[in-house]
Amino acid sequence: EAGVAQSPRYKIIEKRQSVAFWCNPISGHATLYWYQQILGQGPKLLIQFQNNGVVDDSQLPKDRFSAERLKGVDSTLKIQPAKLEDSAVYLCASSQLPLAGQRSNEQFFGPGTRLTVL
Amino acid sequence: AQKITQTQPGMFVQEKEAVTLDCTYDTSDQSYGLFWYKQPSSGEMIFLIYQGSYDEQNATEGRYSLNFQKARKSANLVISASQLGDSAMYFCAMRRDFNKFYFGSGTKLNVKP
Repeated sequence: EAGVAQSPRYKIIEKRQSVAFWCNPISGHATLYWYQQILGQGPKLLIQFQNNGVVDDSQLPKDRFSAERLKGVDSTLKIQPAKLEDSAVYLCASSQLPLAGQRSNEQFFGPGTRLTVL
Repeated sequence: AQKITQTQPGMFVQEKEAVTLDCTYDTSDQSYGLFWYKQPSSGEMIFLIYQGSYDEQNATEGRYSLNFQKARKSANLVISASQLGDSAMYFCAMRRDFNKFYFGSGTKLNVKP
């Protein structure tokens, strides 16, 4: 079974430029998450999708960040314009819905995209 | 509001010894799940162990066990017989309603030879 795919793995941009990240979750996983992880900190949820609907985007800086999952499969996260403080690793994760008889339904993470804003 | 608290920013342990990483959580839900993830310096997040709120027995997975004390709202990770490869960041996480996950700030574990 293929894991969560993310691209690119690394990106360096200047402030005020725009950038987009792509994520393809594990097949059949209804829930997709985007996290921002600043060096030395835990992942911070930016947005959570269930199929193609948004479950939680309360911590997404909507003036500059946007995300979509149009067909309920892969997803794109965009930053426009980028700021220095956006330098971080952007993690995508997916999970199944917790169903009766299934125990953990843990999140599976992609390798992340390391963004550096100069 | 902080939902997951990891109070140990860094820990040292001697190789082959056991170590406990602390995690406390805050929820009024009856049904929730608790997870531990390992993040080596390479950056990937690796699932280690899971404990359901209704599970009466503490979870174990090889050298990992979860000391679940529901009344205290704690879910400490115990690693037995530490190995050099256990050096990494460790994150405690809680799954609540709508499949939402909340992560702690992590503990950096260093295993000394």
